[in-house]
Amino acid sequence: SQTIHQWPATLVQPVGSPLSLECTVEGTSNPNLYWYRQAAGRGLQLLFYSVGIGQISSEVPQNLSASRPQDRQFILSSKKLLLSDSGFYLCAWSVKAGGDTQYFGPGTRLTVL
Amino acid sequence: AQSVTQPDIHITVSEGASLELRCNYSYGATPYLFWYVQSPGQGLQLLLKYFSGDTLVQGIKGFEAEFKRSQSSFNLRKPSVHWSDAAEYFCAVGDNQGGKLIFGQGTELSVKP
Repeated sequence: SQTIHQWPATLVQPVGSPLSLECTVEGTSNPNLYWYRQAAGRGLQLLFYSVGIGQISSEVPQNLSASRPQDRQFILSSKKLLLSDSGFYLCAWSVKAGGDTQYFGPGTRLTVL
Repeated sequence: AQSVTQPDIHITVSEGASLELRCNYSYGATPYLFWYVQSPGQGLQLLLKYFSGDTLVQGIKGFEAEFKRSQSSFNLRKPSVHWSDAAEYFCAVGDNQGGKLIFGQGTELSVKP
């Protein structure tokens, strides 16, 4: 069966510090991968999605970037965090041509102080 | 452009009472429709999905949803709510092009004892 992992689970970082969040998927090959952000009291905002290694699409201009160095690894990064980067970050995967069903990881709670 | 509207930000129901969460979508063709549930601090769990066929879809945890094309709706129902159903519920629409989903803003469900 497929599983998706995210780490760390929680993170507190000062403004201006770098960020690296990692997401890995097990039990499937060549998935589509997604990064979402969920700010307090708001819905999900799609940040990035990837259909393959090295292929990243950005949905919104922002202070973040994403990379996919391996088939089942998706990394969210920032060189300098802003207060507005605080939120709950969710990674998800889907099967290509699988009717869009996405499966979510447990999330990372990021607090920027 | 595709969009999803969940008109109710917060709903409170008594335990044992019936529940209906509303979802309206805007999409030109037949959409793929989803309901997800999110417990506090957790990722999203798929409750059910509609791709085609029978417009009444059964999901996990006793939930069902009905696709009504004429009303552009996909409302979620449960005949008898349990305290453990307290969570946030998200409706989403996909177009099977690249696997992206558009999410509603969510409905927070509280359950009174």
